[in-house]
Amino acid sequence: DGGITQSPKYLFRKEGQNVTLSCEQNLNHDAMYWYRQDPGQGLRLIYYSQIVNDFQKGDIAEGYSVSREKKESFPLTVTSAQKNPTAFYLCASSHPGASYEQYFGPGTRLTVT
Amino acid sequence: AQSVTQPDIHITVSEGASLELRCNYSYGATPYLFWYVQSPGQGLQLLLKYFSGDTLVQGIKGFEAEFKRSQSSFNLRKPSVHWSDAAEYFCAVVPNTGGFKTIFGAGTRLFVKA
Repeated sequence: DGGITQSPKYLFRKEGQNVTLSCEQNLNHDAMYWYRQDPGQGLRLIYYSQIVNDFQKGDIAEGYSVSREKKESFPLTVTSAQKNPTAFYLCASSHPGASYEQYFGPGTRLTVT
Repeated sequence: AQSVTQPDIHITVSEGASLELRCNYSYGATPYLFWYVQSPGQGLQLLLKYFSGDTLVQGIKGFEAEFKRSQSSFNLRKPSVHWSDAAEYFCAVVPNTGGFKTIFGAGTRLFVKA
């Protein structure tokens, strides 16, 4: 079945450590996105990528980094520079120009203490 | 400023009752409009979308939404709510300006009481 996988489901880290969240899709979508979700704030865009080897900052990119070396993969690194990293992180993909609808992974809940 | 507003943070309805979730947007041109649903601890799933044409659109799980240009609204409705509909609902837009970034509302959490 086609879809988006995110791993792990739950992630715990100590403050000051970098951590990488995985996102893989087999939908053959060109565009991929990372969102952060906090209670009462909806989804905020961290980074997005329209094609391989290219990505753009979203609304809250500070303290995060990404790479897009393969069409299927768009990992997100939460660096120690992110002031408040504890959140629910969602990865999504879409086929721009088709229907604009986004397909979401199940999310990763990151807790930093 | 361009925005998507969901006025209700949470709503409680009785099982079997009708439901309407409100969404308003402020964009110059009519954007592409979407409703997504999120069960606790899960990703989002598309319920329905509106691009053009018939202003009443049907979606999955018995949901429908009506686009009203004069009110800049895209409200989600369901005639009879089931307990399994308890979730968070997000209205979203893709501005019709050539880009493809999706702007999400803050969400409305639906509680269903027996």
